[in-house]
Amino acid sequence: NAGVTQTPKFQVLKTGQSMTLQCAQDMNHNSMYWYRQDPGMGLRLIYYSASEGTTDKGEVPNGYNVSRLNKREFSLRLESAAPSQTSVYFCASSVLLVDEKLFFGSGTQLSVL
Amino acid sequence: AQSVAQPEDQVNVAEGNPLTVKCTYSVSGNPYLFWYVQYPNRGLQFLLKYITGDNLVKGSYGFEAEFNKSQTSFHLKKPSALVSDSALYFCAVRDGKLIFGTGTRLQVFP
Repeated sequence: NAGVTQTPKFQVLKTGQSMTLQCAQDMNHNSMYWYRQDPGMGLRLIYYSASEGTTDKGEVPNGYNVSRLNKREFSLRLESAAPSQTSVYFCASSVLLVDEKLFFGSGTQLSVL
Repeated sequence: AQSVAQPEDQVNVAEGNPLTVKCTYSVSGNPYLFWYVQYPNRGLQFLLKYITGDNLVKGSYGFEAEFNKSQTSFHLKKPSALVSDSALYFCAVRDGKLIFGTGTRLQVFP
């Protein structure tokens, strides 16, 4: 049971570099999410996808783009990384957008120097 | 907008003692409230939820939460803490999607 798989687990970038965080789920869930976790600020929603083919902004979308590649995969792209984007990123999925039970990946620790 | 607040950054408790992790909410209409737990280097895991009905909700790992409408609170409780309960706990409210609180670190000492 893989659940939600995120890659990579760790990444160090220089300011201005770009990268894509990958997320895949094997639970046939419709909805997927990207959160960032920062000390003292909890989890903040970056983007979400209610269903295949749709994406919407969350609380903190600036500096990020997403792609719902298919039902399984939801990627997060940083076009020009900034130190303020140093964080731990979590992907999550749920059966439906209004489902109360989210399943989380193990996270990507990103440092932007 | 819906929101939750967790007033304590950290809670310390001795093993075997009861524990409480506090959460207050601000919602319009009926609240849909949740607790999640995060163990070190892991993603969050669902513990329990309150949608409607009984004010005392039972969840995973022996945890329960008490919904109090007059105090707008949804505190997480456990009668007897274990060292293995040490983790980061998040309260959340559903506003279309889930909105999380800032988290409370629970430290259980042997």
